[in-house]
Amino acid sequence: DTGVSQDPRHKITKRGQNVTFRCDPISEHNRLYWYRQTLGQGPEFLTYFQNEAQLEKSRLLSDRFSAERPKGSFSTLEIQRTEQGDSAMYLCASSSGAQGGYTFGSGTRLTVV
Amino acid sequence: GEDVEQSLFLSVREGDSSVINCTYTDSSSTYLYWYKQEPGAGLQLLTYIFSNMDMKQDQRLTVLLNKKDKHLSLRIADTQTGDSAIYFCAVRGNSNYQLIWGAGTKLIIKP
Repeated sequence: DTGVSQDPRHKITKRGQNVTFRCDPISEHNRLYWYRQTLGQGPEFLTYFQNEAQLEKSRLLSDRFSAERPKGSFSTLEIQRTEQGDSAMYLCASSSGAQGGYTFGSGTRLTVV
Repeated sequence: GEDVEQSLFLSVREGDSSVINCTYTDSSSTYLYWYKQEPGAGLQLLTYIFSNMDMKQDQRLTVLLNKKDKHLSLRIADTQTGDSAIYFCAVRGNSNYQLIWGAGTKLIIKP
């Protein structure tokens, strides 16, 4: 296992289009997180899964955002009707429990034009 | 709500020690983390400290925690050009999952 993988690395889309990102966590990690990071800021929490259950969703997340983790392994984050303000780095992380920190993927950079 | 504050920039000479500071507001913070982010890259966990510890050392890195003042610091000994990056402080509160992040400190190395 080489860590947390995210796909694609970069995505450029036109405003109004839908986009979907994928995250493959470390296989033995049951917790998966999505964060968003804009330039000059720390990551902002979006949502959290424990196994296949989505246990928390940030108030920052509009109804255009949805995330799934159907079998408790990989996860997808979909953004519908993208807006320019959605342009950011979308980071996925996984962890195995309360101790220690998250392992982050390299992120998907979204640019909405 | 909970908040984590960091200085935005730190400039040090190569070979000197760097000390990056962080203050937080949540007194119930359990784990406190330092992450490193290089340009265009993801976040790399450097080290973490549990709230019942005052200090943790790992090779060139020393973490100091002052719970009374809610102050966390990261000291990098013998700073090298490869240490140039943004360093993020993050704290975990009573919730089992969410980290609260600072805005990051950009470490600039002068030759």
